[in-house]
Amino acid sequence: ETGVTQSPTHLIKTRGQQVTLRCSSQSGHNTVSWYQQALGQGPQFIFQYYREEENGRGNFPPRFSGLQFPNYSSELNVNALELDDSALYLCASSYRGGDPEKLFFGSGTQLSVL
Amino acid sequence: AQSVTQPDIHITVSEGASLELRCNYSYGATPYLFWYVQSPGQGLQLLLKYFSGDTLVQGIKGFEAEFKRSQSSFNLRKPSVHWSDAAEYFCAVGAPGGGNKLTFGTGTQLKVEL
Repeated sequence: ETGVTQSPTHLIKTRGQQVTLRCSSQSGHNTVSWYQQALGQGPQFIFQYYREEENGRGNFPPRFSGLQFPNYSSELNVNALELDDSALYLCASSYRGGDPEKLFFGSGTQLSVL
Repeated sequence: AQSVTQPDIHITVSEGASLELRCNYSYGATPYLFWYVQSPGQGLQLLLKYFSGDTLVQGIKGFEAEFKRSQSSFNLRKPSVHWSDAAEYFCAVGAPGGGNKLTFGTGTQLKVEL
């Protein structure tokens, strides 16, 4: 049990819709990152938030956006959903300034786009 | 750009046998290296990590990994596999100062025969 919780666990959307995924970081963690894991692939880094600002982004288009709140919870928003967005979305939190790169992952949200 | 290759998509071993999972990375300097395990429906759990120092790293659940700079490898080993080790294993590389941006391999699915 990592203390990182994600909601919902499963979600079905249709192409063109918008979706919001939520993450609650482990207590004491001030950095959150999001990863996309397509079927049969390793996770791919989407972006990272530190002190409520985006602080690093992977190769994802602007329709992937995020928020980090003062209580260190976080949201991932995806607009104009495409079929290829179907994947497991993982949230990971860490304490920047502590043990570097020690990430704690949630169990993920499985998004299906029809 | 950093990259990770896990050449074995599937590996099957008998319970009690030894295990070695291969990982090769591409990075210009000494990277941060990680092994994660993912069970079905679960997030990623960190097994071990290498940042610097001793090239043989001990992790949880009896796993170890050895960093070999000359071969750009970070192979994961376990002397005696248990049935509960069946899962998917991911090798990942991160850049010092790169925050939570990790690049993962495509994973190796481990099956344990009783």
